[in-house]
Amino acid sequence: GAVVSQHPSRVICKSGTSVKIECRSLDFQATTMFWYRQFPKQSLMLMATSNEGSKATYEQGVEKDKFLINHASLTLSTLTVTSAHPEDSSFYICSARDGTFYEQYFGPGTRLTVT
Amino acid sequence: GQQLNQSPQSMFIQEGEDVSMNCTSSSIFNTWLWYKQEPGEGPVLLIALYKAGELTSNGRLTAQFGITRKDSFLNISASIPSDVGIYFCAGQAWDSWGKLQFGAGTQVVVTP
Repeated sequence: GAVVSQHPSRVICKSGTSVKIECRSLDFQATTMFWYRQFPKQSLMLMATSNEGSKATYEQGVEKDKFLINHASLTLSTLTVTSAHPEDSSFYICSARDGTFYEQYFGPGTRLTVT
Repeated sequence: GQQLNQSPQSMFIQEGEDVSMNCTSSSIFNTWLWYKQEPGEGPVLLIALYKAGELTSNGRLTAQFGITRKDSFLNISASIPSDVGIYFCAGQAWDSWGKLQFGAGTQVVVTP
């Protein structure tokens, strides 16, 4: 089956620093990747849509200067949380869309804790 | 984004029992997806549905794409302890550029 990896799985950083999260599709090419945020006991909240070779599209209320997204290739998208603050602490999950069957496969998630 | 109406919110069942959950929407979808998420992990795709009326099975799981294209259900037969988790439905509209709308999730707890 299709596999999506995320790195790191957990990260703790100090307030004011930046953190980069990588999302890779391992066995298929993904022209579109999505970034989600999930709070405890809640559903997934879409943050942005990342298309290879073009600028990301952000959902309403998501600060594009704070959450920088780069989709460098058909298998890699990165999310950088800039000047992180404790309220940015959350579970961040990416997904990659299989261009052939339009199914979305999720990564294992990254737990970000900002102290 | 918008959420689908997913019910029930939680289910506490005994091992061996069947489980049924459903999602409804005011919008028409061209794809329905069902995912399972365990604590601290990302959702795992269980079943994908592409046609109205389609009934698809994956082992003990069966899901159907409603005829109206506004609803879907997931059944788990003969539940086992490892079925524990949160199940999410997700719908994709034809003009959504791949964006999914998620249900709030159904938490399934299976007791031996």
